[in-house]
Amino acid sequence: GENVEQHPSTLSVQEGDSAVIKCTYSDSASNYFPWYKQELGKGPQLIIDIRSNVGEKKDQRIAVTLNKTAKHFSLHITETQPEDSAVYFCAASKGGSYIPTFGRGTSLIVHP
Amino acid sequence: DSGVTQTPKHLITATGQRVTLRCSPRSGDLSVYWYQQSLDQGLQFLIQYYNGEERAKGNILERFSAQQFPDLHSELNLSSLELGDSALYFCASSVEGQATDTQYFGPGTRLTVL
Repeated sequence: GENVEQHPSTLSVQEGDSAVIKCTYSDSASNYFPWYKQELGKGPQLIIDIRSNVGEKKDQRIAVTLNKTAKHFSLHITETQPEDSAVYFCAASKGGSYIPTFGRGTSLIVHP
Repeated sequence: DSGVTQTPKHLITATGQRVTLRCSPRSGDLSVYWYQQSLDQGLQFLIQYYNGEERAKGNILERFSAQQFPDLHSELNLSSLELGDSALYFCASSVEGQATDTQYFGPGTRLTVL
């Protein structure tokens, strides 16, 4: 089955810096890659997703890039703010399956 | 607000007891998923229902069971509780229950077993 590895497990940055979280996946048939943000005491919420027919997608300070050849995708957050502090999960899934495979999460800490 | 509701928000109980967690999906979503998240752990998939029928099963213990009712709300039943069952339990919903659908998560139920 699919295996998703997420790095780093913890990321500490200064406010205003950029943050990058990387995920690798094993199943070349995977074609949908969402990113979720989980704030303390809340459920994960989708922040951005990308499908395999595009290489990059951007939404204000957040972007996701996908390299299908290398089977990895990354979340980029620019101009980080303290409210970006949260746990971020990546996931990978493919058509015809029912359950996405989640990474183990990255705890992002943005210091003011 | 994702539109997914879960009750109760917190639950404290003793070992050996049985509890029921409830989830109402977003309006229009036919599929419900249950996840367990232990301290500093990722999301462990437990079980999925689609339009009242079980569709996929993950690492769900035999002591745990779930169902989805005709109005599409779902309940997760946890019995013979052990200390290790203490965790956050999340419900998520999606439109068609495909892995490529966006999942919308509820706020979770925090279960503490003493």
